[in-house]
Amino acid sequence: AQSVTQLDSHVSVSEGTPVLLRCNYSSSYSPSLFWYVQHPNKGLQLLLKYTSAATLVKGINGFEAEFKKSETSFHLTKPSAHMSDAAEYFCVVRAGDDYKLSFGAGTTVTVRA
Amino acid sequence: NAGVTQTPKFQVLKTGQSMTLQCAQDMNHEYMSWYRQDPGMGLRLIHYSVGAGITDQGEVPNGYNVSRSTTEDFPLRLLSAAPSQTSVYFCASSFTGGDFSEAFFGQGTRLTVV
Repeated sequence: AQSVTQLDSHVSVSEGTPVLLRCNYSSSYSPSLFWYVQHPNKGLQLLLKYTSAATLVKGINGFEAEFKKSETSFHLTKPSAHMSDAAEYFCVVRAGDDYKLSFGAGTTVTVRA
Repeated sequence: NAGVTQTPKFQVLKTGQSMTLQCAQDMNHEYMSWYRQDPGMGLRLIHYSVGAGITDQGEVPNGYNVSRSTTEDFPLRLLSAAPSQTSVYFCASSFTGGDFSEAFFGQGTRLTVV
């Protein structure tokens, strides 16, 4: 079994300040981990994925995430928020070989000018 | 390269009506799936398929049917629409090879059942 917990349902930041979105997971197998972003009334776009090659993963638009197995976490960060980062973010885990994805409940990011 | 295409984008149904949500992908992906998105609940898996002729139930399958006659298409049928099926529906596809294949999503279908 696998599950994902996103620790914040809503995060509000000022433009130019850092963003931190927290994600914890549970999995019986070595997981594949992803972060997706959804802008209003749009589909989901992949930000980054953990591939086991490196624990620090860089994604698009300046985002990065660190895989910490001991803490079962995969937190997403960005050093400087931009207005275009306002969106909903989903942490996703896939474990084993059945290709099913488990989604967190999502974190809505608001960026203040 | 169109990716994953869903139609329609919006739909309003009356209770008891049936309809089919279409999903097509042009990436030759073996795995396709349907999710519903409801506020505060993330995306939940309805049905999935690992290849033509093979389908299985996900987390919330009741009230929905699927079939997979070709690699490209994976339609979702609502048999008798209920207000509880008001939601945004997403189709996704991915390769089955490799542990880290990401899913590609369509733009979604916003369904309202009145």
